[in-house]
Amino acid sequence: DQQVKQNSPSLSVQEGRISILNCDYTNSMFDYFLWYKKYPAEGPTFLISISSIKDKNEDGRFTVFLNKSAKHLSLHIVPSQPGDSAVYFCAASDLGGNTPLVFGKGTRLSVIA
Amino acid sequence: EPEVTQTPSHQVTQMGQEVILRCVPISNHLYFYWYRQILGQKVEFLVSFYNNEISEKSEIFDDQFSVERPDGSNFTLKIRSTKLEDSAMYFCASSDSEGWNEQFFGPGTRLTVL
Repeated sequence: DQQVKQNSPSLSVQEGRISILNCDYTNSMFDYFLWYKKYPAEGPTFLISISSIKDKNEDGRFTVFLNKSAKHLSLHIVPSQPGDSAVYFCAASDLGGNTPLVFGKGTRLSVIA
Repeated sequence: EPEVTQTPSHQVTQMGQEVILRCVPISNHLYFYWYRQILGQKVEFLVSFYNNEISEKSEIFDDQFSVERPDGSNFTLKIRSTKLEDSAMYFCASSDSEGWNEQFFGPGTRLTVL
């Protein structure tokens, strides 16, 4: 049962353009969402998070949008840079803070110069 | 910047052998986790550990698995009798006690069971 779904296994974007990575979840108890970036041979690195009391959180080039009614969140990267090329994991938690994270399968982003 | 470290980076073992994967969490963190990622699949939660005991575990974390914090710095995952399907990347993570904080992951140990 995939509680967190990232339906696009890969995405290619031109440098300077916007990258939009999507994530859907099925568990309405989830109230905290995170995006992790993973380079080859490294562990996932925290990128940005959002709690269910917000619908948008912005940090520099990265913005996460949450649509609770649609159980959907997205990560926007603008402008995209070649160094952003990595696998992006969406993760969710049902109590916030220090509880197990449920991960999606990841989306491989390739930013083409 | 403090980071989570894991050793070894790659472990090769024979089926049925015991392995111990080691992690040194960030020093002021109190919550510790193990995850695994089978090649091509999603990162899966195994177990969380707080105050010297398991706080939550997944269905994957059966009797073959155990965790321990043998001293003030290390956090270990033991697999008693490895199976071929245990081959995966194993990630350790830690977080501090304040709410809404993200978990910091180590670089992972690649376990190959032959």
